[in-house]
Amino acid sequence: EPEVTQTPSHQVTQMGQEVILRCVPISNHLYFYWYRQILGQKVEFLVSFYNNEISEKSEIFDDQFSVERPDGSNFTLKIRSTKLEDSAMYFCASTIDRNTEAFFGQGTRLTVV
Amino acid sequence: GQNIDQPTEMTATEGAIVQINCTYQTSGFNGLFWYQQHAGEAPTFLSYNVLDGLEEKGRFSSFLSRSKGYSYLLLKELQMKDSASYLCAVTSGAGSYQLTFGKGTKLSVIP
Repeated sequence: EPEVTQTPSHQVTQMGQEVILRCVPISNHLYFYWYRQILGQKVEFLVSFYNNEISEKSEIFDDQFSVERPDGSNFTLKIRSTKLEDSAMYFCASTIDRNTEAFFGQGTRLTVV
Repeated sequence: GQNIDQPTEMTATEGAIVQINCTYQTSGFNGLFWYQQHAGEAPTFLSYNVLDGLEEKGRFSSFLSRSKGYSYLLLKELQMKDSASYLCAVTSGAGSYQLTFGKGTKLSVIP
């Protein structure tokens, strides 16, 4: 069964450092998303991406965040200068069309120290 | 604003039936999804409702009433492996398809 893959599974970084989280969405999917889940809290939307551009973003997705699809398979989330409050599980997801079931990757647990 | 409410925790017995409720107040409505999330893992899709009524999928069913802003997820013949969090999520707003999640209902299935 096709799946969304994310790397790394865990990342520990120092406050102020840049991190890049990587995702390979399902190959025939057209819409890509990043969500995050702070420990014990709900899953929160960050950004959606379609046709090589951002289609929606939340208030969380400020200037410290950026997304890129550098080639035909990868989808990345960059956090330029990490803060302690960025510590969370980051999930990548993809959908074949709008308003269809989202397939989530296994997540990257980011710890900022 | 967007508000999605679910009970925080529920406990049910193996083999029984459990109903998990979700109410939502959103600006617009495009669809309602239920996801299952085991601790430390990714959400996995269970069901999708866009029209009023019941959608059945094996041991899982989901119901939607758009006029009441209400949905429920029904799990039948509970198994121990059904112990997980169940997340209600809504897509809403003109041209918006981001998932807005509730806090989830942690279901514990006991022998």
